[in-house]
Amino acid sequence: DQQVKQNSPSLSVQEGRISILNCDYTNSMFDYFLWYKKYPAEGPTFLISISSIKDKNEDGRFTVFLNKSAKHLSLHIVPSQPGDSAVYFCAASATNDMRFGAGTRLTVKP
Amino acid sequence: KAGVTQTPRYLIKTRGQQVTLSCSPISGHRSVSWYQQTPGQGLQFLFEYFSETQRNKGNFPGRFSGRQFSNSRSEMNVSTLELGDSALYLCASSRTTGVHSPLHFGNGTRLTVT
Repeated sequence: DQQVKQNSPSLSVQEGRISILNCDYTNSMFDYFLWYKKYPAEGPTFLISISSIKDKNEDGRFTVFLNKSAKHLSLHIVPSQPGDSAVYFCAASATNDMRFGAGTRLTVKP
Repeated sequence: KAGVTQTPRYLIKTRGQQVTLSCSPISGHRSVSWYQQTPGQGLQFLFEYFSETQRNKGNFPGRFSGRQFSNSRSEMNVSTLELGDSALYLCASSRTTGVHSPLHFGNGTRLTVT
């Protein structure tokens, strides 16, 4: 069962513009959310996280927004850079349980 | 500080064979998790080990098994390989378990079953 869904398999954005990656979850027990970035031939690397007690967390060009009532989170990258081109995985966590989405491939065009 | 190391990087096996994958976590990390990545399916959780004990298990058949040694290194074994087992297998470590700590992933082992 897909408890975490990333409905857009791919996204293409122009350099300097905003990239918005979306993620939906179904299990209301999830209380911590993470985004990972994955380059080809490498393992995913942790990018940013947010606890369910917050609705926004910012780290440089990356901001994660959480809408608990809609069970939806999004990752904003501003401004987007060509080096941001990668697959982004959303993850949702409850105690002893972490689920990942299928990933969104972001391409940032120069 | 060395990252998570997975060996081998690539593996080609024949249907029906068995395979063992190895993972060395970051020094000081006692939790090791295994994930299977296939196109369109994201990262599917296989199992987690902490202090040599399996803490959690995903929804995979019994052909998939693992273990953890006293030095926190972990191995994953798949017996009676099927074509559908072809995937990237990722190992991740974290300092502890049961709390929301980010995972540190290795570069994975690409398994191809022919």
